[in-house]
Amino acid sequence: RKEVEQDPGPFNVPEGATVAFNCTYSNSASQSFFWYRQDCRKEPKLLMSVYSSGNEDGRFTAQLNRASQYISLLIRDSKLSDSATYLCVVNKARTGANNLFFGTGTRLTVIP
Amino acid sequence: EPEVTQTPSHQVTQMGQEVILRCVPISNHLYFYWYRQILGQKVEFLVSFYNNEISEKSEIFDDQFSVERPDGSNFTLKIRSTKLEDSAMYFCASSGRDLWAEQFFGPGTRLTVL
Repeated sequence: RKEVEQDPGPFNVPEGATVAFNCTYSNSASQSFFWYRQDCRKEPKLLMSVYSSGNEDGRFTAQLNRASQYISLLIRDSKLSDSATYLCVVNKARTGANNLFFGTGTRLTVIP
Repeated sequence: EPEVTQTPSHQVTQMGQEVILRCVPISNHLYFYWYRQILGQKVEFLVSFYNNEISEKSEIFDDQFSVERPDGSNFTLKIRSTKLEDSAMYFCASSGRDLWAEQFFGPGTRLTVL
């Protein structure tokens, strides 16, 4: 089983739409969870950390369900600039180590 | 805003040659990482480094790979004898004082092995 699984998409949505991405992870001992975005041939950029209580940053809302080992990202009022690949990222959860496992990413294209 | 920098942005080399990829992590960060991304594939962990030693390494990080922090600011990845399959984007990342803190990535070095 893969460490992190995501629907690769692509998701093509009109400007202003709401879009949701989901991700599952296999290691129940994982401690840290993140969403990164990656533009074509660029580095991953941290979008937000994900907490059990859920967190919101402007148009972006992330949720974590530890029981189901499930992470989600909701983007409201999509902008053209939101077009990117969204990476679900989970840490390895081992003492003294925090290497990250990346999903393959979900590609989003926001259409005018 | 402080950022991770990497040089060169693109390195082309012949198979069997040694390459050194350089990174300058964010200045007050304590944890350093190398990841790679083969074109069209996911980002993969290579190695983590803390307190001047390797914390953990993946199966990819074999004897051909080494890391060093030679002068307190640079963090380097050396590939001793490059193979065609080493062609990838190599990202350096760093994180702050908390082991679980977010990692910030540099812009990457695109390595092409001919």
